[in-house]
Amino acid sequence: ETGVTQSPTHLIKTRGQQVTLRCSSQSGHNTVSWYQQALGQGPQFIFQYYREEENGRGNFPPRFSGLQFPNYSSELNVNALELDDSALYLCASSFMTSGNPGELFFGEGSRLTVL
Amino acid sequence: AQKVTQAQTEISVVEKEDVTLDCVYETRDTTYYLFWYKQPPSGELVFLIRRNSFDEQNEISGRYSWNFQKSTSSFNFTITASQVVDSAVYFCALTCSYSGAGSYQLTFGKGTKLSVIP
Repeated sequence: ETGVTQSPTHLIKTRGQQVTLRCSSQSGHNTVSWYQQALGQGPQFIFQYYREEENGRGNFPPRFSGLQFPNYSSELNVNALELDDSALYLCASSFMTSGNPGELFFGEGSRLTVL
Repeated sequence: AQKVTQAQTEISVVEKEDVTLDCVYETRDTTYYLFWYKQPPSGELVFLIRRNSFDEQNEISGRYSWNFQKSTSSFNFTITASQVVDSAVYFCALTCSYSGAGSYQLTFGKGTKLSVIP
């Protein structure tokens, strides 16, 4: 068990709706990142938050947004859902220092289905 | 640009056989980190190992071993005496010392699905 918990585990939405996914990081970790994993593919980096600020973003449109809270919990928000947003969304936390990513610990993910 | 290639999509072995999962990476950075993760059906990515680019020593952890060769840009993973519980999808991943404004963006391969048959 990694100490990273995500909710909800499964959810179904329809195209055009909005969704919020939540992540509780491992205690003491200062960094949280989010990944999208389509079926049969490797995870793709969405963005990373360090001390409540986004400090890195992958090739995802602005309708993917996030927040990191002082207690290092985090949210991923996706607006105007599209069918291709159907995927497993993984949250990872780590203790990052300058020049060292630390060990990234992943949660079990939230499986989103968009109809 | 970074890239990770796991050419083996699926591998099946009989229990107790040894199996090697291949990983080839591309990066222009001289400082980088390589990872292996295991993903069982539950979906959680289980951390197995992290290796930085300056440490080419091979590593052994129980039945697991890793062979890092910078000359061929490879970071292969061997499971000795495989067991049914080893059945999972295994991902190799790469990040450079800094990607963007200090973030560590992992680039994953497409994964290798390992099935260990009793």
